[in-house]
Amino acid sequence: VIWMTQSPSLLSASTGDRVTISCRMSQGISSYLAWYQQKPGKAPELLIYAASTLQSGVPSRFSGSGSGTDFTLTISCLQSEDFATYYCQQYYSFPITFGQGTRLEIK
Amino acid sequence: QVQLQESGPGLVKPSQTLSLTCTVSGGSISSGSYYWSWIRQPAGKGLEWIGRIYTSGSTNYNPSLKSRVTISVDTSKNQFSLKLSSVTAADTAVYYCARFSPTGDYYFDYWGQGTLVTVSS
Repeated sequence: VIWMTQSPSLLSASTGDRVTISCRMSQGISSYLAWYQQKPGKAPELLIYAASTLQSGVPSRFSGSGSGTDFTLTISCLQSEDFATYYCQQYYSFPITFGQGTRLEIK
Repeated sequence: QVQLQESGPGLVKPSQTLSLTCTVSGGSISSGSYYWSWIRQPAGKGLEWIGRIYTSGSTNYNPSLKSRVTISVDTSKNQFSLKLSSVTAADTAVYYCARFSPTGDYYFDYWGQGTLVTVSS
């Protein structure tokens, strides 16, 4: 099983800020990583796959980077609709696993 | 536009079997090389992948749940289903059905809205 450490678990920021969320793997996964955004009471929505490829329709202020064991999700200029919980997911090997989540709250 | 919708009892008694169905609309469940999955999320917690099924019926399960899980598909109804046996309070969660990307990479591009299942007597 590939374990994932996502940090921070809670992030306080203001509209317009640039924020980064980290996801570290217990072993290398090449670029087999996805990021999701989840708002309260809703299903997760795909933001990024293959570590850095933006899903169609996702704003360009979202970006992903990394390979191997260390990955980052960056939001370049926070908008009000971005305050949500973010999860990383590895799909290098089964069982598929998710990070513990990062809740992004308004400062 | 593919849509997924979970359905099933919202309350299950301990030791019984949880049964959920996911109905796929906006396309045939058996067209293309799609895998379909179940994922769950206890209140206030993270996501746990339960298992997946291909339209041929082949399955893979999370080892943590494998002994209690069965996922099946009914292509004639455009549905796939989850059965989880011998449930306890720890199985209380929102259950999502989702589709793996058709690219062959196992990230989820479409999700159902989720359904809350509570295990309680």
